[in-house]
Amino acid sequence: SQQGEEDPQALSIQEGENATMNCSYKTSINNLQWYRQNSGRGLVHLILIRSNEREKHSGRLRVTLDTSKKSSSLLITASRAADTASYFCATVAGGGNKLTFGTGTQLKVEL
Amino acid sequence: DGGITQSPKYLFRKEGQNVTLSCEQNLNHDAMYWYRQDPGQGLRLIYYSQIVNDFQKGDIAEGYSVSREKKESFPLTVTSAQKNPTAFYLCASSSGTGSGRRTEAFFGQGTRLTVV
Repeated sequence: SQQGEEDPQALSIQEGENATMNCSYKTSINNLQWYRQNSGRGLVHLILIRSNEREKHSGRLRVTLDTSKKSSSLLITASRAADTASYFCATVAGGGNKLTFGTGTQLKVEL
Repeated sequence: DGGITQSPKYLFRKEGQNVTLSCEQNLNHDAMYWYRQDPGQGLRLIYYSQIVNDFQKGDIAEGYSVSREKKESFPLTVTSAQKNPTAFYLCASSSGTGSGRRTEAFFGQGTRLTVV
């Protein structure tokens, strides 16, 4: 079973605009991670936020985590055409390393 | 250079055949995973291994088998019992277990399996 849902399923914006994707999950977690997938390729890790953190930044990425609502958001600022990809959240819970993925958001950034 | 390699990139299987997908990593990671991805969907966990000679079923293990005889290798066999095997298969690894572990996963480039 998948841990949660991502919203929206698809997002289309113009270059230079900000893109916000949301992720909801079902159980208590140790950390939440965001990954990017270009079409037909493997996933690439973007950023990790621990359960005791509320916000984290990396370059043009900003991630927030609200454990009371079991939700996270990924903000990509000043988007570029090269940001076009699918974005997935994944959670780690319990004592192991197992990642459970959400359903993903397809982002299209148009010139 | 370090990384995780999946082969082949494309694989065609006749109905009733078993096929094996290869996954090799030189990152010295303890944990390895197999995921299945169907068009427009997220990743579903098939099997994972936290350490050599040990592995656990994921959410959709039926019709699949794995082995973990070496730290570097985690091959996946898609058996004839898997009724709908056409999908994109992704292998991943992450380092360590225990308190110092890092859970970020590194992914291979995937194998696209088609039943013909």
